[in-house]
Amino acid sequence: DTGVSQNPRHKITKRGQNVTFRCDPISEHNRLYWYRQTLGQGPEFLTYFQNEAQLEKSRLLSDRFSAERPKGSFSTLEIQRTEQGDSAMYLCASSLDASSPLHFGNGTRLTVT
Amino acid sequence: AQSVAQPEDQVNVAEGNPLTVKCTYSVSGNPYLFWYVQYPNRGLQFLLKYITGDNLVKGSYGFEAEFNKSQTSFHLKKPSALVSDSALYFCAVRDRRGGFKTIFGAGTRLFVKA
Repeated sequence: DTGVSQNPRHKITKRGQNVTFRCDPISEHNRLYWYRQTLGQGPEFLTYFQNEAQLEKSRLLSDRFSAERPKGSFSTLEIQRTEQGDSAMYLCASSLDASSPLHFGNGTRLTVT
Repeated sequence: AQSVAQPEDQVNVAEGNPLTVKCTYSVSGNPYLFWYVQYPNRGLQFLLKYITGDNLVKGSYGFEAEFNKSQTSFHLKKPSALVSDSALYFCAVRDRRGGFKTIFGAGTRLFVKA
């Protein structure tokens, strides 16, 4: 168990640019989640994959956000035309089944200037 | 809709004293319940979970939590606090029927004074 890996750890970008984050889940976990966390708040659900299928996407997520999980392995989260309000920690997590806890990566901190 | 409330932004306790971090939840069905801890500049770590059975659940680092169905609560407890327990604690709920979306509370900062 090598844990959930996220890259990059930090990303600074200018408003209007596109950014892409990568998540490598624990290998035997077929469930993958993306969350966003701002300072002093709990993680906010963004989207969920079971294998390669994206089964739910938060209504809070604008059309500028897209996530993929090709072949049910790693996942990418892309934000197009970034805005300052997108600045946050983006967390990836994976789990084994419905009753299992989430295993989180260390996150990607996005700063939009 | 699922929701989690952690009524205290911060809990202060002296080292060696018992601690309680409160959590109440709202879910339409029967919940899976979780506690996570976040240390500075670290990812969230799983502490314990309630799935079924005994209402008192034991987890990592000497923590335990009590599930109370009638009060829809899942309070985190520890008999004797350590300074190293100082961190941000999150309660989370997942509806068994949906089975995937986990909703987190806003967090409670625990400060243990030596």
